Amino acid sequence: GDSVTQMEGPVTLSEEAFLTINCTYTATGYPSLFWYVQYPGEGLQLLLKATKADDKGSNKGFEATYRKETTSFHLEKGSVQVSDSAVYFCALTSLGWGKFQFGAGTQVVVTP
Amino acid sequence: GAVVSQHPSRVICKSGTSVKIECRSLDFQATTMFWYRQFPKQSLMLMATSNEGSKATYEQGVEKDKFLINHASLTLSTLTVTSAHPEDSSFYICSAHATSGRAGTGELFFGEGSRLTVL
Repeated sequence: GDSVTQMEGPVTLSEEAFLTINCTYTATGYPSLFWYVQYPGEGLQLLLKATKADDKGSNKGFEATYRKETTSFHLEKGSVQVSDSAVYFCALTSLGWGKFQFGAGTQVVVTP
Repeated sequence: GAVVSQHPSRVICKSGTSVKIECRSLDFQATTMFWYRQFPKQSLMLMATSNEGSKATYEQGVEKDKFLINHASLTLSTLTVTSAHPEDSSFYICSAHATSGRAGTGELFFGEGSRLTVL
């Protein structure tokens, strides 16, 4: 079955540091890939997405490229802020829109 | 943008009582909604798929008599935790697939979540 594996956290960074969160997947067919962010006490918000190979999703300074050859969708940000502290979930759907498979989540803590 | 709203956001109840959580799509129709459960510091676990006008489809291991789901309209799904016990305490999140309206991109929108604490 489909699955998503992402790096374990917590990841602790200083402000303005470079952030990478690794995400790899296994799926049948051609999945769409997503990154969701969850701020403390809140639900999930879509951060970015890519629907086909080589697509790059970007939002709020975050980027991720759909790499079919390595089955990866790593999240990157060049200069993090304290407000980026949250839990980040990599996810995919290949069974039609709606039924998502989530990674375990990676907590990111950015210190001043 | 499209919004999915859950109510209540927090609820505390006594063991043995039932609690209802509502999930509404505010500016689009959703024939399908999904209910997830999230344990502390863990990922989301899909509990069930809620289909408007028909019975919900439950994931393996989820007790359908324990977690009653009703999807009575294109904008509302409810999850009722019956005879709640402390082990049911969790963060419950709904999501809706926007198939129509200005949000009809196929994107999945999530509610804010409902934190249930059973004493």
